[in-house]
Amino acid sequence: DGGITQSPKYLFRKEGQNVTLSCEQNLNHDAMYWYRQDPGQGLRLIYYSQIVNDFQKGDIAEGYSVSREKKESFPLTVTSAQKNPTAFYLCASSIPGTGGRQPQHFGDGTRLSIL
Amino acid sequence: GQQVMQIPQYQHVQEGEDFTTYCNSSTTLSNIQWYKQRPGGHPVFLIQLVKSGEVKKQKRLTFQFGEAKKNSSLHITATQTTDVGTYFCAGGGSQGNLIFGKGTKLSVKP
Repeated sequence: DGGITQSPKYLFRKEGQNVTLSCEQNLNHDAMYWYRQDPGQGLRLIYYSQIVNDFQKGDIAEGYSVSREKKESFPLTVTSAQKNPTAFYLCASSIPGTGGRQPQHFGDGTRLSIL
Repeated sequence: GQQVMQIPQYQHVQEGEDFTTYCNSSTTLSNIQWYKQRPGGHPVFLIQLVKSGEVKKQKRLTFQFGEAKKNSSLHITATQTTDVGTYFCAGGGSQGNLIFGKGTKLSVKP
């Protein structure tokens, strides 16, 4: 089955710790995205990547970092600089398209909480 | 930056009643997409509208894209309990990404 796998489903972080959220896709999509979802805030774009070894900051990139060394993988690191990391994190992928014209396919998400 | 506003934030209906959610942008959108997120789930793509004035239907769901390509609506006729969830619109951004509205959370009372 083709799809996007996010792990872990739940993650707890101590103050001052960096944590990495995994996102893997086998849809052969070039573009991948990370969103943060808070109650009543919709989906806010953290980072996106249209192709391997290239990525761009989204609207709320501060305190986050990403890498795109492989087409299938787009891990997100939540650094200690992110002061309010508790949220639901969603990874998505799509065929690249101008003006966001391609549908995005989402993983099941990772729920991050601070201990 | 570009923003897509979506109203209402919440809508509670009795089963069988109709439901509509609206999206507005201050700038012209290249396209609009609609997603549904069930409680505890992830967003799932429903449809995309590209042409000015376009109307598309999926069973009880009707999607419209405004003539100026700055607004869109989703209308559900005769809601069912299976329609429960949050509906998001997302407009095509100038950088090749999608700009999501904050969503309308629909609850349906049986």
